[in-house]
Amino acid sequence: TQLLEQSPQFLSIQEGENLTVYCNSSSVFSSLQWYRQEPGEGPVLLVTVVTGGEVKKLKRLTFQFGDARKDSSLHITAAQPGDTGLYLCAGPTLYQITGTASKLTFGTGTRLQVTL
Amino acid sequence: DAGVTQSPTHLIKTRGQQVTLRCSPKSGHDTVSWYQQALGQGPQFIFQYYEEEERQRGNFPDRFSGHQFPNYSSELNVNALLLGDSALYLCASRPFSGLGQETQYFGPGTRLLVL
Repeated sequence: TQLLEQSPQFLSIQEGENLTVYCNSSSVFSSLQWYRQEPGEGPVLLVTVVTGGEVKKLKRLTFQFGDARKDSSLHITAAQPGDTGLYLCAGPTLYQITGTASKLTFGTGTRLQVTL
Repeated sequence: DAGVTQSPTHLIKTRGQQVTLRCSPKSGHDTVSWYQQALGQGPQFIFQYYEEEERQRGNFPDRFSGHQFPNYSSELNVNALLLGDSALYLCASRPFSGLGQETQYFGPGTRLLVL
C-alpha cells in the first residue's frame, strides 16, 4: 500500500512569511500532484511533477520532486491570505501495467491559515 | 464548458438508510472516480468507472456500490448508512488514457451527514 504523509498538519502564519510543506512516502511514484482545496469545494490541481529532481514554479509557489521520486515539497514565498486552504499532495497508482485505470493516493493534508 | 457537477450539494440521512449521489463528468471525459473525504483528512479512493464497469476499487465495503451510464455520468450508492459514513463525497473525471497521468478534475462534492 502506497502512503503519503504530509507535514506539518497545520500551519498558521502571518502575511509575508515563507513556508514549506513536505510530502513523503516510502514508495516511488511516477509523478506527484499538488492540490489546493477550499471549504465547500473540491481539490483544484496546482501542479504535477514528473521527473526526479524537477522544480516547478507557479508565481510565489515552488514545487520540487525528490530525486528518488519518493517525496515532494511545496514552498510558498511571501504568503498572502488568499493562500489559505488545505494543501494536498497525491500520487497515481496504476491499476495495471498498461495503465488502463489509476487511482490517486492522497496525503494527509496540510491546513494553511494566513492572517493579516 | 461545465466542469464536474455533483448533486445534491448537501444531504442528511439517518443510520440504516440508503443514499444515492450523482455525478456528471466534465465534457469529453469518460472515466469517473469517487472519493470519500472525512473531515480534516485527505480524500480516500472508493472506486473508478470506465465503459460502465468498475475498474478499480479501494478499501471500502460492499455497502458502497456504483454505476456508470452510457453518457458517462455516474452514481454512488451507499446502503445501511453508518455514522462513520458522514463525509464529503467527491467525484473526479478524466479522459481515458493508457498512461493514467491525465489531470483529474474534481467536482465540489456532496456533503453527507448521517445522524
